[in-house]
Amino acid sequence: GDSVTQMEGPVTLSEEAFLTINCTYTATGYPSLFWYVQYPGEGLQLLLKATKADDKGSNKGFEATYRKETTSFHLEKGSVQVSDSAVYFCALSDRGTDKLIFGTGTRLQVFP
Amino acid sequence: NAGVTQTPKFQVLKTGQSMTLQCAQDMNHNSMYWYRQDPGMGLRLIYYSASEGTTDKGEVPNGYNVSRLNKREFSLRLESAAPSQTSVYFCASSVQGRETQYFGPGTRLLVL
Repeated sequence: GDSVTQMEGPVTLSEEAFLTINCTYTATGYPSLFWYVQYPGEGLQLLLKATKADDKGSNKGFEATYRKETTSFHLEKGSVQVSDSAVYFCALSDRGTDKLIFGTGTRLQVFP
Repeated sequence: NAGVTQTPKFQVLKTGQSMTLQCAQDMNHNSMYWYRQDPGMGLRLIYYSASEGTTDKGEVPNGYNVSRLNKREFSLRLESAAPSQTSVYFCASSVQGRETQYFGPGTRLLVL
């Protein structure tokens, strides 16, 4: 079945460093791809999404490009802040069912 | 517009006790979902409801039941709680399946 694989964390960075969190997927057909963020003690919030190949989703300085050839949707940010410390989840929409499939999450810790 | 609300925020149960987790959304969404979140395992789908009057099992339905009371409300019931059900439970909703899901703040459940 469809699945999402994320890099294991935690990812620890200093403020203003460049961030990459890797996400690859396995899917039949052409799913939509999502990044969600979970701040401490809160529910998940949509960060960005892309619905077809070569689309770039962006929000709050974060970007991710839907790469069909490498089945990837890596999350990037040029300069992280302490306030970006959170858990980040990659997900895909399963077009065979009415569901999202989530990766296991990657914790990001940013230090001043 | 409150989005997705969940009650209670926190609950402690003894093994064998029952309880119902409540979820409501005010966004006129058709689809609703219940997930559990455990360390290192990401989000796992328990049950979902594609539309009012329908419910389907997700990845980990054993030990749970659900009721889609109306379009707004989707409750999750534990008939006989077990320590393995200690987790954080999230409710989510979407306009329809495969689209962006909006999450509630979660219910933290401890079963002793």
